[in-house]
Amino acid sequence: DAGVIQSPRHEVTEMGQEVTLRCKPISGHNSLFWYRQTMMRGLELLIYFNNNVPIDDSGMPEDRFSAKMPNASFSTLKIQPSEPRDSAVYFCASSLAGDGNQPQHFGDGTRLSIL
Amino acid sequence: GEDVEQSLFLSVREGDSSVINCTYTDSSSTYLYWYKQEPGAGLQLLTYIFSNMDMKQDQRLTVLLNKKDKHLSLRIADTQTGDSAIYFCAESTGSYIPTFGRGTSLIVHP
Repeated sequence: DAGVIQSPRHEVTEMGQEVTLRCKPISGHNSLFWYRQTMMRGLELLIYFNNNVPIDDSGMPEDRFSAKMPNASFSTLKIQPSEPRDSAVYFCASSLAGDGNQPQHFGDGTRLSIL
Repeated sequence: GEDVEQSLFLSVREGDSSVINCTYTDSSSTYLYWYKQEPGAGLQLLTYIFSNMDMKQDQRLTVLLNKKDKHLSLRIADTQTGDSAIYFCAESTGSYIPTFGRGTSLIVHP
């Protein structure tokens, strides 16, 4: 079975540019999560969706970050404009339910470097 | 609020047992998880335990839960170099998404 698929795997861009990260959850999963991982702060939840609807975006750092889930099989995380402090590994995860009773399945992440 | 604590590093010799510890604060936790993260990869679910259990064993992995002390441990028997990774503890109350610890880096040396 295909797991959670993220693209690109690596992204290097200059500050000020727009960055779009993509995620395809596991088919049949109705919850999707975006995380950011850094050495300093560990794993941070940015936003999560249930049935394509954003439920909690309190972890989104600021207005430069936005996330969409236009359908059950695709989500994007956009940063505009990007800044060097946004450099991190961004993970997407999906689960059958968003209540913690079902484990999350993670993609391999996008390693983002903002110069 | 919810909080999950883990030590940052653990170093063991190949063939020995590893014990990775985790403490949590939410007494209403229903599920507790262990995830493994290898370099360049995402978090992979290793095992999980329901809060009404004390122990769960799966091949070389043993999970122990002490609900009274809110303490969870993961024991890896006969640790191999391939076990070197970051191990994350996570807990959930069933009503919210899981809360993750900072992760424990397991280093296995010959």
